[in-house]
Amino acid sequence: AQSVSQHNHHVILSEAASLELGCNYSYGGTVNLFWYVQYPGQHLQLLLKYFSGDPLVKGIKGFEAEFIKSKFSFNLRKPSVQWSDTAEYFCAVHGSGNTGKLIFGQGTTLQVKP
Amino acid sequence: GAVVSQHPSWVICKSGTSVKIECRSLDFQATTMFWYRQFPKQSLMLMATSNEGSKATYEQGVEKDKFLINHASLTLSTLTVTSAHPEDSSFYICSASIMGTEAFFGQGTRLTVV
Repeated sequence: AQSVSQHNHHVILSEAASLELGCNYSYGGTVNLFWYVQYPGQHLQLLLKYFSGDPLVKGIKGFEAEFIKSKFSFNLRKPSVQWSDTAEYFCAVHGSGNTGKLIFGQGTTLQVKP
Repeated sequence: GAVVSQHPSWVICKSGTSVKIECRSLDFQATTMFWYRQFPKQSLMLMATSNEGSKATYEQGVEKDKFLINHASLTLSTLTVTSAHPEDSSFYICSASIMGTEAFFGQGTRLTVV
């Protein structure tokens, strides 16, 4: 069965610290991978996505993620977090050619202390 | 990016009544929309895939007679929670994708059944 696992449920960092959120997936085929962010009281927004090509993907707000096929991983990174990055982060996957149906990870709450 | 709008943003209803939630793609046509449910501090769980002009496809464990989905046009899908009970209280989110690629999410609807 398809599944997505996020290792960190709650992360607390100080401003300027580096961030890495883990994401592993289980899917028997070619996948498209996503990271979404949900700021408090707001709807989900796309941070970045991977469909094919360069496995190192750069997204908005200084975020990047690396697709490592052999490890079934798509970890999210940011070199220096800001207080405004406090939010819920979701990793998601759907199969290539899929109509857009997403399977989400459990989510990671990031709290950045000023 | 494309805009998906949900209405209402929040609703409180009495137990036993029905509630309709609308999901509109404002600037694109969506042949497929998706309905998710998000419990507090948890991830999004796909409830069903809404297909324009045909019956929705429900995920395992989702009661189709309780969660009625209608996708009458290329820009509108509705979710009706019938005979709502307190356990149906949740955050409901819709999404639509363009050509099966990136999914755009509505702002969500917080349903509280009292």
